[in-house]
Amino acid sequence: EADIYQTPRYLVIGTGKKITLECSQTMGHDKMYWYQQDPGMELHLIHYSYGVNSTEKGDLSSESTVSRIRTEHFPLTLESARPSHTSQYLCASSDPLGDRGQETQYFGPGTRLLVL
Amino acid sequence: QQQVKQSPQSLIVQKGGISIINCAYENTAFDYFPWYQQFPGKGPALLIAIRPDVSEKKEGRFTISFNKSAKQFSLHIMDSQPGDSATYFCAASMKSYGNNRLAFGKGNQVVVIP
Repeated sequence: EADIYQTPRYLVIGTGKKITLECSQTMGHDKMYWYQQDPGMELHLIHYSYGVNSTEKGDLSSESTVSRIRTEHFPLTLESARPSHTSQYLCASSDPLGDRGQETQYFGPGTRLLVL
Repeated sequence: QQQVKQSPQSLIVQKGGISIINCAYENTAFDYFPWYQQFPGKGPALLIAIRPDVSEKKEGRFTISFNKSAKQFSLHIMDSQPGDSATYFCAASMKSYGNNRLAFGKGNQVVVIP
């Protein structure tokens, strides 16, 4: 089982509030990812990082921002939450040596966000 | 534009039966095809994966069949058990710029009834 943690697991918050979703991994992986997942839908990549001080936008446009100051930590921030941000957010990190040299992504348990 | 398409969306199988989930892709540059399994309240976890140089890969009760010419691959769960009830995502990736970004399908919910 992968050592990747997300907090909080569930969050209910009012419109306009600033929130930070935490993600940390103890595997020393350089690459980390944030996905957004709605029920019955595929995972959409919203942010990724190749290492410290590296962040990139993913395939799905998102109003959230990320930072990567430490290898093990990749928090996601929403400056002003809106009901349209309601979703599940999954964090992942990848092992470049997994599955015979093909990168394997390990996922955290996710944060379910509900914005009222 | 969805790069990886799964079918059926959901599947109900009797215990001991075979669950089959299909996946189709568009981009012929994809060179790695994993299946992820997700239980409620958990993140997806790698189940089994295949590369296009083989047509089949088996790990225990799980088998991937790969058809390169049809650009399709499928997951077979033999002797399905209630503990296999989960959502299954197929995915595809290619090595580009040193980053293996995964394109996921929408997922199939498999329910195995006793």
